[in-house]
Amino acid sequence: NAGVTQTPKFRILKIGQSMTLQCAQDMNHNYMYWYRQDPGMGLKLIYYSVGAGITDKGEVPNGYNVSRSTTEDFPLRLELAAPSQTSVYFCASSYITSGRTDTQYFGPGTRLTVL
Amino acid sequence: TQLLEQSPQFLSIQEGENLTVYCNSSSVFSSLQWYRQEPGEGPVLLVTVVTGGEVKKLKRLTFQFGDARKDSSLHITAAQPGDTGLYLCAGAWEYGNKLVFGAGTILRVKS
Repeated sequence: NAGVTQTPKFRILKIGQSMTLQCAQDMNHNYMYWYRQDPGMGLKLIYYSVGAGITDKGEVPNGYNVSRSTTEDFPLRLELAAPSQTSVYFCASSYITSGRTDTQYFGPGTRLTVL
Repeated sequence: TQLLEQSPQFLSIQEGENLTVYCNSSSVFSSLQWYRQEPGEGPVLLVTVVTGGEVKKLKRLTFQFGDARKDSSLHITAAQPGDTGLYLCAGAWEYGNKLVFGAGTILRVKS
């Protein structure tokens, strides 16, 4: 199993440009998440999905959009990039059953710079 | 404002020393997790604690969940250079749901 994969690893965007961060998992996990990590701030949840076709906002959703058409893929879309979106983005997945908090498996991250 | 406050923010120690990292909140969590993250990689789960007062050991690492389920600590005995990394605590209010992360503690163990 490859686990959670993310592409690209690095990207530089100009203000106002758009891009999609790709995330895929091959573990048949039902839950998938997008986080951003800024220095000294830990990880903040952007969006999450409990299954194909179902998404919901996290703590910092403004400026981002997601979709989940398959179990495996969970892309994150930035429509109008702003310098405040400079960050490291992590995708994660987990298999959640009722009554327990399970392990979240993280991808290697995408380092995005908006200039 | 962080819902989960971690201290210290940065710790630099010599190989063989002991250390404790703290994770505190005013909120009650149903469970709390500790992750370790190395540069250029995503966080990796170390442990999940779910019961107030619970203590879990993972080799030289000891994790404790506070009785009131508002705080946790990570104690490392005889630290080694391989323990170097960013340690993150994360709380969940509902089982299996969204996690709230602390800002992390950067640990550097010098040989």
